[in-house]
Amino acid sequence: KNEVEQSPQNLTAQEGEFITINCSYSVGISALHWLQQHPGGGIVSLFMLSSGKKKHGRLIATINIQEKHSSLHITASHPRDSAVYICAVNNNNDMRFGAGTRLTVKP
Amino acid sequence: KAGVTQTPRYLIKTRGQQVTLSCSPISGHRSVSWYQQTPGQGLQFLFEYFSETQRNKGNFPGRFSGRQFSNSRSEMNVSTLELGDSALYLCASSLGGRIHNEQFFGPGTRLTVL
Repeated sequence: KNEVEQSPQNLTAQEGEFITINCSYSVGISALHWLQQHPGGGIVSLFMLSSGKKKHGRLIATINIQEKHSSLHITASHPRDSAVYICAVNNNNDMRFGAGTRLTVKP
Repeated sequence: KAGVTQTPRYLIKTRGQQVTLSCSPISGHRSVSWYQQTPGQGLQFLFEYFSETQRNKGNFPGRFSGRQFSNSRSEMNVSTLELGDSALYLCASSLGGRIHNEQFFGPGTRLTVL
């Protein structure tokens, strides 16, 4: 079993829909990251959080340390949000990654 | 401010050869981390350098090594290349270290081993 599990693996939505991507982890962590990877490989760090909730524009990330679970929400989704979203956790001196969620937003 | 740059962007090598990849961090950033991404294994952490010292290392064989220079530029070396080393190699820089700081990723170097 992977230490970082994401769901769903693939997600297709219509423009304007509310999107939720989930991340569960089984190890102790000091921080959790949400990354966005566009076709071609470029990665952008969206959030780094260790508790509570953060918001950047239409993106919201939450984490529940007790339940070892984090969610990434996208409000009013847009085709430009189409990308792979990756959850990663800092565990001691290592960093573990989820397999990613491929999001496609159709116009 | 210029972003993280990586050179070369694409590289083709044959088994047994060695390769050196370069990463220039954002000006002022002292931490550079390296990652390998493959279709089968996804993203995996290789190592992190901070102020010319290796701070952390992931679970990779000794064929994978790196170093960081006084200007924070970093190089990654893979010796005795294997087919399985074909991957996208990404570096990321941060101000004070990847554990508590946001990371900024470079565009990656796509290595193909034939």
